[in-house]
Amino acid sequence: NAGVMQNPRHLVRRRGQEARLRCSPMKGHSHVYWYRQLPEEGLKFMVYLQKENIIDESGMPKERFSAEFPKEGPSILRIQQVVRGDSAAYFCASSRKPDNQPQHFGDGTRLSIL
Amino acid sequence: RKEVEQDPGPFNVPEGATVAFNCTYSNSASQSFFWYRQDCRKEPKLLMSVYSSGNEDGRFTAQLNRASQYISLLIRDSKLSDSATYLCVVVPGGGSNYKLTFGKGTLLTVNP
Repeated sequence: NAGVMQNPRHLVRRRGQEARLRCSPMKGHSHVYWYRQLPEEGLKFMVYLQKENIIDESGMPKERFSAEFPKEGPSILRIQQVVRGDSAAYFCASSRKPDNQPQHFGDGTRLSIL
Repeated sequence: RKEVEQDPGPFNVPEGATVAFNCTYSNSASQSFFWYRQDCRKEPKLLMSVYSSGNEDGRFTAQLNRASQYISLLIRDSKLSDSATYLCVVVPGGGSNYKLTFGKGTLLTVNP
């Protein structure tokens, strides 16, 4: 499968724990985007990364959330000290260039906070 | 006003019916427009781009009215497999042309 790979598909955490979501872009894609879909809501842009750089994090909550896309390995979305309101589907997308459409989406990670 | 607003739905139609979805957007500088579909608990997938001249792909027709900031999707001869949530997506102009802005989606159920 040469598509965008996200793992885990489902993640359960207790309040206060940390959640790490991983995304491997499509082969040849160096631009990664994270979106969050809260229950009964549309997808919301969170952050745009290129290798080793955060380009736009305007959609990221100011606290507890961070993202990285290291030179080697997948992009990571990290949520510290999770709260119930973090329960959502987190989708990663990738593209070859920033203005390339469509962005190709992964299957998402469903995060549930107990 | 929300950036992208869609018909709240849900739409329940019989097979073979024609159904239309509407969407409005607030940013007049928006450059690109798309319809995506999202099956239950799955990732969004591009259905079609939307152009000012209107475009058709089989049973699907998309229209864009820039003056009214309005986008539509028409599905003819609905199939059971068309059951999904349809997402209106707008891309802003300027330097943020990577930032997809999604509507909340309209749920369509096609019944046998």
